[in-house]
Amino acid sequence: QQQVKQSPQSLIVQKGGISIINCAYENTAFDYFPWYQQFPGKGPALLIAIRPDVSEKKEGRFTISFNKSAKQFSLHIMDSQPGDSATYFCAASRGGGNKLTFGTGTQLKVEL
Amino acid sequence: NAGVMQNPRHLVRRRGQEARLRCSPMKGHSHVYWYRQLPEEGLKFMVYLQKENIIDESGMPKERFSAEFPKEGPSILRIQQVVRGDSAAYFCASSPPGRGDEQYFGPGTRLTVT
Repeated sequence: QQQVKQSPQSLIVQKGGISIINCAYENTAFDYFPWYQQFPGKGPALLIAIRPDVSEKKEGRFTISFNKSAKQFSLHIMDSQPGDSATYFCAASRGGGNKLTFGTGTQLKVEL
Repeated sequence: NAGVMQNPRHLVRRRGQEARLRCSPMKGHSHVYWYRQLPEEGLKFMVYLQKENIIDESGMPKERFSAEFPKEGPSILRIQQVVRGDSAAYFCASSPPGRGDEQYFGPGTRLTVT
């Protein structure tokens, strides 16, 4: 059973545009929602994370929007740059951590 | 502060051999997690360990796989009698005490079974 569904599978955005990646979860016990960025041949790097007590969190060009009632959260990358081209994974966990449940990933390509 | 270290980065094993993957957590981190990533898929949780204790092994296959995190030295993920289906990237993550949410990943070990 896939507990975190991620879409789209791939995304092409023009430089300067907004990249939007969506995730939906099923387990209402999840209380921590991070996003990871992964470049080819590298490990995932923690990008930004949110907890259900807020609806939005912004760090630089990266914003997480969270909708608790819909059990959805999304990553917005403003002013997308070619260096943002990577695979992005959403994840969720509950109860202070331990195992993360990951989405299937979105391959983002930012074109000039 | 060095990040999470994993070695080897690439490992080739023939079917039936054993694979040993090592992970050294970040300095000050006492929790280690192992994940497996199959091609074109997300990461799947395998096991969560603290020093000398397995906390959650709900993602570990019941046979051939084992993990440890001894009092001294790195965490080890051991796969016995490897099969082709074990070919994957294995990532280790660590987190500081009390901050299990904040998992920092190593570069991974890419296991190829021939």
